[in-house]
Amino acid sequence: KAGVTQTPRYLIKTRGQQVTLSCSPISGHRSVSWYQQTPGQGLQFLFEYFSETQRNKGNFPGRFSGRQFSNSRSEMNVSTLELGDSALYLCASSWGPNNEQFFGPGTRLTVL
Amino acid sequence: TQLLEQSPQFLSIQEGENLTVYCNSSSVFSSLQWYRQEPGEGPVLLVTVVTGGEVKKLKRLTFQFGDARKDSSLHITAAQPGDTGLYLCAGLNTGNQFYFGTGTSLTVIP
Repeated sequence: KAGVTQTPRYLIKTRGQQVTLSCSPISGHRSVSWYQQTPGQGLQFLFEYFSETQRNKGNFPGRFSGRQFSNSRSEMNVSTLELGDSALYLCASSWGPNNEQFFGPGTRLTVL
Repeated sequence: TQLLEQSPQFLSIQEGENLTVYCNSSSVFSSLQWYRQEPGEGPVLLVTVVTGGEVKKLKRLTFQFGDARKDSSLHITAAQPGDTGLYLCAGLNTGNQFYFGTGTSLTVIP
């Protein structure tokens, strides 16, 4: 099976712009979660989608949003970018009773 | 709020040495996972522990889940340079949400 894929791998934006990141989960996985990873805060949970519905949401402002399509692919959007949004954004698909997660390589977002 | 504290934060050891990484919380988790992450890549799942007191071995790595399901440890025997990376624990709460630990950066020097 192919692993989790994320596009693009690298992105440079300026403050005030918006960005959309894409994630394709492992075939058969219906749950997709998004995380933000920074050196200072570590890995922080953004949100989880299951069967096109947001099932869980972390403590991030409304500028961060996401959605999931019928084929389980997911996108996350960040509007009105701030310098502090610079981070590695990771997507994970999961399955099973223990929700074992499989991560993609991430999208490195730099906000200038 | 950071629910999972890992220690130590940084660890640099010589090849062949043993080490233990700790993951502690005041919260109870239904399961706990350990991941290793290398630079420029996403975390890779190493193990899932579910039962309090459970011990799992993966070659030279031994994982233990605390009896109260609030803490866990990772012990590496005879560390090798290939073990170098960021080790992360992640607890799954009853709301089906993961909380990641602060991370332990391990460097094994040849």
